[in-house]
Amino acid sequence: EPEVTQTPSHQVTQMGQEVILRCVPISNHLYFYWYRQILGQKVEFLVSFYNNEISEKSEIFDDQFSVERPDGSNFTLKIRSTKLEDSAMYFCASTRGTGGAGYGYTFGSGTRLTVV
Amino acid sequence: AQTVTQSQPEMSVQEAETVTLSCTYDTSENNYYLFWYKQPPSRQMILVIRQEAYKQQNATENRFSVNFQKAAKSFSLKISDSQLGDTAMYFCAFMKGMDSSYKLIFGSGTRLLVRP
Repeated sequence: EPEVTQTPSHQVTQMGQEVILRCVPISNHLYFYWYRQILGQKVEFLVSFYNNEISEKSEIFDDQFSVERPDGSNFTLKIRSTKLEDSAMYFCASTRGTGGAGYGYTFGSGTRLTVV
Repeated sequence: AQTVTQSQPEMSVQEAETVTLSCTYDTSENNYYLFWYKQPPSRQMILVIRQEAYKQQNATENRFSVNFQKAAKSFSLKISDSQLGDTAMYFCAFMKGMDSSYKLIFGSGTRLLVRP
């Protein structure tokens, strides 16, 4: 069964450093997402990406965040200058969109980001 | 704006018994999807079951079934013959049927413990 692959599984970074989280969505999917889950809390939407541009972003997704799909397969989330409160589990997900979206997403296994 | 509420932070059930997890939501949309996701200790997000709002019949997947009450905006998950492997966090989620992004809006989750 196709998978969404995320790397690394765990990243530790110093406050103020830039970090890039990487994802390879399912190849025939059209919508790509990043979600965040602070430990023990709910899963929060960050951003959706369709047709090579952001289709929606939340208020969490401020100027410190950016996404890119540089080569048609990888989908990256960059945090420009990390803060302690960025420590969380970051999930990448993809879906076929339109009629296929109703079948739900495929989530990656997550990247645990720890900012020290 | 859509909201999803899970009023039971924690539940416990004896192995082989049945448990029901509650979820209510608020929306003015008529076309939408509802989901239950399972998050075991590995923190992977796994789709358990989905329901299309325009279908009156409740969805069933093996031991998992839902009670979808559209007028009451209620979407509970019933787990029959509970197994130790069902121990996990369970999230209820909402998706609009026609959307620019098909983002998921999650509830705060219910932690389920299955006791041997």
